[in-house]
Amino acid sequence: GAVVSQHPSWVICKSGTSVKIECRSLDFQATTMFWYRQFPKQSLMLMATSNEGSKATYEQGVEKDKFLINHASLTLSTLTVTSAHPEDSSFYICSASRLGFGEQFFGPGTRLTVL
Amino acid sequence: AQSVTQLGSHVSVSEGALVLLRCNYSSSVPPYLFWYVQYPNQGLQLLLKYTTGATLVKGINGFEAEFKKSETSFHLTKPSAHMSDAAEYFCAVSESPGGGNKLTFGTGTQLKVEL
Repeated sequence: GAVVSQHPSWVICKSGTSVKIECRSLDFQATTMFWYRQFPKQSLMLMATSNEGSKATYEQGVEKDKFLINHASLTLSTLTVTSAHPEDSSFYICSASRLGFGEQFFGPGTRLTVL
Repeated sequence: AQSVTQLGSHVSVSEGALVLLRCNYSSSVPPYLFWYVQYPNQGLQLLLKYTTGATLVKGINGFEAEFKKSETSFHLTKPSAHMSDAAEYFCAVSESPGGGNKLTFGTGTQLKVEL
């Protein structure tokens, strides 16, 4: 199956700093990438959908200026958490797909801890 | 709008016993249904999906699910549980079968397999 990677797998940062998380499709070109947030023992909540070369579409309630998403190439999307605060601590998961694929392929996730 | 309800946040079975994880959905259009498995600190892996056609869907690792429109259900089963099946299971629904479409997830069911 298709492989999606995320980097870093775990990051700890101080409150007020910005953190960038990368999502890469390793063996296919992803026309669409998704970013999810998962709280402990809870489900995945879709944050935004990004198509290569276009602005991301954010879900209702997700702050666009706080969670910056860039899908600059067909193999890379980035999520930047700006001015992170402890309430932003969570598990962030990306997924990728392309036209013709019948499913999304998920990355292993990034655990963000904001102190 | 679509939604998914997973009954039972925790299910415990003995090794070799039947596994039954429940999923009910709500959708204003014909649904496309998915089951994913998540191991600790990992991303999601697709177990199986229903798009159209046969309502009994077979997936990986011996799992299967049956789409019952009259009951708005898509329960996941496995005849004989194995220790390696212990994980978190998520049911999801989409308005379209393609991988580039938004998924709405249930809250998940943690499966524990005991000796």
